Amino acid sequence: AQSVTQPDIHITVSEGASLELRCNYSYGATPYLFWYVQSPGQGLQLLLKYFSGDTLVQGIKGFEAEFKRSQSSFNLRKPSVHWSDAAEYFCAVALPPWMGNTPLVFGKGTRLSVIA
Amino acid sequence: DTGVSQDPRHKITKRGQNVTFRCDPISEHNRLYWYRQTLGQGPEFLTYFQNEAQLEKSRLLSDRFSAERPKGSFSTLEIQRTEQGDSAMYLCASSFNQQGRGSGEQYFGPGTRLTVT
Repeated sequence: AQSVTQPDIHITVSEGASLELRCNYSYGATPYLFWYVQSPGQGLQLLLKYFSGDTLVQGIKGFEAEFKRSQSSFNLRKPSVHWSDAAEYFCAVALPPWMGNTPLVFGKGTRLSVIA
Repeated sequence: DTGVSQDPRHKITKRGQNVTFRCDPISEHNRLYWYRQTLGQGPEFLTYFQNEAQLEKSRLLSDRFSAERPKGSFSTLEIQRTEQGDSAMYLCASSFNQQGRGSGEQYFGPGTRLTVT
């Protein structure tokens, strides 16, 4: 069965420090990969996605993620965290449209706290 | 384009009552998804539609749950005889998917938070 693992439940970083959130997936094929962010009480906002091509993808708000096929990973990074980045981050996978474009399978999320 | 909207944003109900939620997708999107999110968890898939056809239902969707998308536009999710375990955030998402076209990216609404007392 398809699954997404986000090993870190909660991460605390200082404002201005770099950030890396981990995501590993188990899937029958190379899926579409997504990172979403959720602020308290809000819906999910798409940060970035990987479909094919360059394995380093850029997203909104200064985030980037790198797909590593050999490690089945899609880690999210940001070089300098801002206090407004405090939120819950979800990694998700789905089959691409030509394979049925399945509903998203989400990880359990990583809560990011930012301290001064 | 106003994005995906959901109504109501919050619903408090007593156990045993029926509730209905509405989702309005992005207008040109042909797919509509329902997810449920409980505290400390990622969203879990419930069901989805392509146009008016309901294509898949999760095992999470017990017979107390029903969803419709009568004209391929908005959708409703009804929960009958609510239980305390139904308390969650119910998220709706939409996407454009057509074989060979569309990225299939899903855009989410703000969610409906259900509290069953």
